[in-house]
Amino acid sequence: DAGVIQSPRHEVTEMGQEVTLRCKPISGHDYLFWYRQTMMRGLELLIYFNNNVPIDDSGMPEDRFSAKMPNASFSTLKIQPSEPRDSAVYFCASSKGWGLGETQYFGPGTRLLVL
Amino acid sequence: DAKTTQPPSMDCAEGRAANLPCNHSTISGNEYVYWYRQIHSQGPQYIIHGLKNNETNEMASLIITEDRKSSTLILPHATLRDTAVYYCIVRYSSGNTPLVFGKGTRLSVIA
Repeated sequence: DAGVIQSPRHEVTEMGQEVTLRCKPISGHDYLFWYRQTMMRGLELLIYFNNNVPIDDSGMPEDRFSAKMPNASFSTLKIQPSEPRDSAVYFCASSKGWGLGETQYFGPGTRLLVL
Repeated sequence: DAKTTQPPSMDCAEGRAANLPCNHSTISGNEYVYWYRQIHSQGPQYIIHGLKNNETNEMASLIITEDRKSSTLILPHATLRDTAVYYCIVRYSSGNTPLVFGKGTRLSVIA
């Protein structure tokens, strides 16, 4: 398996522009997670899906952020409009389940810079 | 908030064992200890987890004290590729509780 795939790997955009991050989870995994990592706040869980349904989005910072999972093999995280404080590395992760012993597999991340 | 305390950084000579400590004095009976690591510019990688018994896999060993208030991750023969930030996480055994990452320990393996 290719692992969790994220695109793009790097994104530079200007404040106010829409940004879309993409994720392809590992085949057969029922859970998908979006994380954000910054120097100040570390690694934070933004939202997670189970069987394509959003379960907990309490970590989404504000309404400018939205996430979708139209099918089992694809998810997007959208920021509209983007702001400089959104600059961070965004990770997608997936797992078969979320019980004990179920490990999350992380993608390589998307490094976002908003100017 | 992370429920663990780890030293911010450690050094280890290549080929020697790396022992990474973690304090989790408020751990409850139904919480597991997980270890992940993050190599520079990569996503976090699962290493090992345990409840109260010592655990070993191909990557590392996990030693949990009898009172479960602390644990040690052991990399038996550290290599330069083990240089990374290591996260110790406690997590409930039931329900879909999230992984809460703290600041971790930055391990530098030195040639």
